[in-house]
Amino acid sequence: DIRMTQSPASLSASLGETVNIECLASEDIYSDLAWYQQKPGKSPQLLIYNANSLQNGVPSRFSGSGSGTQYSLKINSLQSEDVATYFCQQYNNYPNTFGAGTKLELK
Amino acid sequence: EVKLVESGGGLVQPGRSLKLSCAASGFSFNDYWMGWVRQAPGKGLEWIGEINQDSSTINYTPSLKDKFTISRDNAQNTLYLQMSKLGSEDTAIYYCARGSRDPGYFDYWGQGVMVTVSS
Repeated sequence: DIRMTQSPASLSASLGETVNIECLASEDIYSDLAWYQQKPGKSPQLLIYNANSLQNGVPSRFSGSGSGTQYSLKINSLQSEDVATYFCQQYNNYPNTFGAGTKLELK
Repeated sequence: EVKLVESGGGLVQPGRSLKLSCAASGFSFNDYWMGWVRQAPGKGLEWIGEINQDSSTINYTPSLKDKFTISRDNAQNTLYLQMSKLGSEDTAIYYCARGSRDPGYFDYWGQGVMVTVSS
């Protein structure tokens, strides 16, 4: 199975700050990577797919980048509603696998 | 509006079976891959598997392949997850999710249904 290593595990940032979350795959996943946001008590929501494509309806302050084994999710100008846990998912190889998550809190 | 509504969860004894359902609406169900993901309490997401539009291809995570069966009824717009030989490690929220026209990411998720395995 492809292992997805997310970092950091938790993150505290201030309103308006820029935040970066990283995901490292154990092998090349050819940009077959998605990012999800999960707010407490809610189901996950798709933010980014194919490493850098923004899902319809997702604010433009979210962006994804990367290739090969290294990927990142960037949140510009952090808003209070961005407090959540973020997960990456690779879908290049079966079984699809998720990162362990990054919990984002407000400082 | 895309809606996915899971049902069939609850408390089940170890070793028993349970079948979850996911009623889909608001889109052409038979045009999309569908899948299941679970989340143990306080833990991360675990991909269970996915099924293609005509049920000819079903992929599972290997550790669950002998216990779980994914199926769908396109006439009823419903996705299923049959779970057998349940153990405490299967206690989790189970999410139904819509894939795309190709296998991969999930763009819509249900609200989830809790399954608790305990005597």
